[in-house]
Amino acid sequence: AQSVAQPEDQVNVAEGNPLTVKCTYSVSGNPYLFWYVQYPNRGLQFLLKYITGDNLVKGSYGFEAEFNKSQTSFHLKKPSALVSDSALYFCAVRDAGGGSQGNLIFGKGTKLSVKP
Amino acid sequence: DAGVIQSPRHEVTEMGQEVTLRCKPISGHDYLFWYRQTMMRGLELLIYFNNNVPIDDSGMPEDRFSAKMPNASFSTLKIQPSEPRDSAVYFCASSGDREYSPLHFGNGTRLTVT
Repeated sequence: AQSVAQPEDQVNVAEGNPLTVKCTYSVSGNPYLFWYVQYPNRGLQFLLKYITGDNLVKGSYGFEAEFNKSQTSFHLKKPSALVSDSALYFCAVRDAGGGSQGNLIFGKGTKLSVKP
Repeated sequence: DAGVIQSPRHEVTEMGQEVTLRCKPISGHDYLFWYRQTMMRGLELLIYFNNNVPIDDSGMPEDRFSAKMPNASFSTLKIQPSEPRDSAVYFCASSGDREYSPLHFGNGTRLTVT
């Protein structure tokens, strides 16, 4: 069975410092991995995805994520946090070749708070 | 591209009333999803459609919930009768036909049932 875990409910970072939001996953085959961001009173917004190839994936707003197969992780990172990055972040996984668009599993979300 | 459009943005209704939520997906997207978000349960997939056909409705909580997609540009989620525990934010999302196609979410409908 597929699963995804975001071990931190909240991450606090000072503006200008690097940030990391953690995600680990479990799938039977190869994973498709996604990060989404949700701002208050808005829908989830796609940030980046890993399909295959380079383990470091770059996305919107300066975010990047590193796929680590041995650790089954896909942590979201940004070198220098902005106050405007404060939001709820969701990791999601789908089993590649699973044959169904409906089997996208979302984590419970991590609230990122960036203080000036 | 206007994105996924949901209406209404907010709905307040009394227990027992019928509620209809509406969604217009992105043109050309083959998949449409209905999600529910609450603090307690997080993001839950209720039902999804492929080419207007319901594929999996196992997430629909009860028979009080029903969803339709009469054409490629419109879907509804209906709750009849509504109950206070249905209070949540309901999201519609659409995507292309690749397994790695990202979902595009609407801004949701915040439903409050009193």
